[in-house]
Amino acid sequence: AQKITQTQPGMFVQEKEAVTLDCTYDTSDPSYGLFWYKQPSSGEMIFLIYQGSYDQQNATEGRYSLNFQKARKSANLVISASQLGDSAMYFCAMREGSNSGYALNFGKGTSLLVTP
Amino acid sequence: GAVVSQHPSRVICKSGTSVKIECRSLDFQATTMFWYRQFPKQSLMLMATSNEGSKATYEQGVEKDKFLINHASLTLSTLTVTSAHPEDSSFYICSALGQEVDEQYFGPGTRLTVT
Repeated sequence: AQKITQTQPGMFVQEKEAVTLDCTYDTSDPSYGLFWYKQPSSGEMIFLIYQGSYDQQNATEGRYSLNFQKARKSANLVISASQLGDSAMYFCAMREGSNSGYALNFGKGTSLLVTP
Repeated sequence: GAVVSQHPSRVICKSGTSVKIECRSLDFQATTMFWYRQFPKQSLMLMATSNEGSKATYEQGVEKDKFLINHASLTLSTLTVTSAHPEDSSFYICSALGQEVDEQYFGPGTRLTVT
């Protein structure tokens, strides 16, 4: 069963606008971590933001914020004031368990295009 | 942040040959590294978990005899694709665990093309 679901294969947003990329997850483990990565055409995985399952507040990192709705099992990424350089693939990922030795499960990704 | 390098960044090889890809943690020690594979326009799929000093743990469906992993030191893991075939053409990307739960550092990836 898919553990991470990203339902938006592609999204468009105009420069300077905000955009929300959806991510829902499935786990029965009470301890888990949620990650968002950006992958430009070069292929490198750029870490954006992290949310732990026990974190009380939504994570924020500059223009990135994570809308964590634990009961709904969703962890949407909000990018504010979009820039042309934000155009890329965005992946949501989950690490289950409190042991950081576990690998990440990735969603299928959302391709974001920022237009002038 | 921490840096992970991969070498080579691109490689083209003929069918039937073997290719070695190196993953190095440059400024920290990584007891655990992961190898992922990404086909065009798809997500990253975990191939194996590489632990320093012990045998790698492979995901279901990944042939351990075809994808040899060696994690001989705290800063280096290697993936060798043996007897490569065109269907092995893919983007291979490694990651290394840091000390904190939110620290997982990715290498820049290796694009393998088998002709």
